[in-house]
Amino acid sequence: DQQVKQNSPSLSVQEGRISILNCDYTNSMFDYFLWYKKYPAEGPTFLISISSIKDKNEDGRFTVFLNKSAKHLSLHIVPSQPGDSAVYFCAALLTSGSRLTFGEGTQLTVNP
Amino acid sequence: DAGITQSPRYKITETGRQVTLMCHQTWSHSYMFWYRQDLGHGLRLIYYSAAADITDKGEVPDGYVVSRSKTENFPLTLESATRSQTSVYFCASSHTGFYSNQPQHFGDGTRLSIL
Repeated sequence: DQQVKQNSPSLSVQEGRISILNCDYTNSMFDYFLWYKKYPAEGPTFLISISSIKDKNEDGRFTVFLNKSAKHLSLHIVPSQPGDSAVYFCAALLTSGSRLTFGEGTQLTVNP
Repeated sequence: DAGITQSPRYKITETGRQVTLMCHQTWSHSYMFWYRQDLGHGLRLIYYSAAADITDKGEVPDGYVVSRSKTENFPLTLESATRSQTSVYFCASSHTGFYSNQPQHFGDGTRLSIL
């Protein structure tokens, strides 16, 4: 039972344009949602998070939107840069269940 | 340098062998975690530890053993390796575990191949 799904394995955008990465979840009890970025041969690094009681969180070029009724969140990167090319993982935290559940990841490629 | 280090970075072994993956962190984080990353599955939690001598199962614990005698170390042992355990293994640590959105910090991974 995949509780967190990233349905797009890959996304390609032009430098300077917006990148939108999507994530769907099934468990309405998740407390927080996090995005991690991963470069080849490195571990994931934390990017941004959002509480389930919020609908938007912004940090520089990165904004995460949460739509609880649709059980959907998205990460917007504006403007996209070639250094943003990486795999992005969506993760959902259930504090009562001691679980951080990851999606499958989306490979973002930003073309110069 | 402060951080979290995994060793070895790459390992090839044969089915039935025992293999231990090492993880060391210098932040004095209470919580440590082991994940495996497989295509189509993202990262899945194998085991975690809330403190020295306290460990608990994650989503996919079968075939793995962990111990935590010191806060800074959290080794993962495959007692009798199988081909299905071929994967990339990530160790992570954090102050608060699953009780807040304080992020987990990951090592650079161990790529394990079992022939």
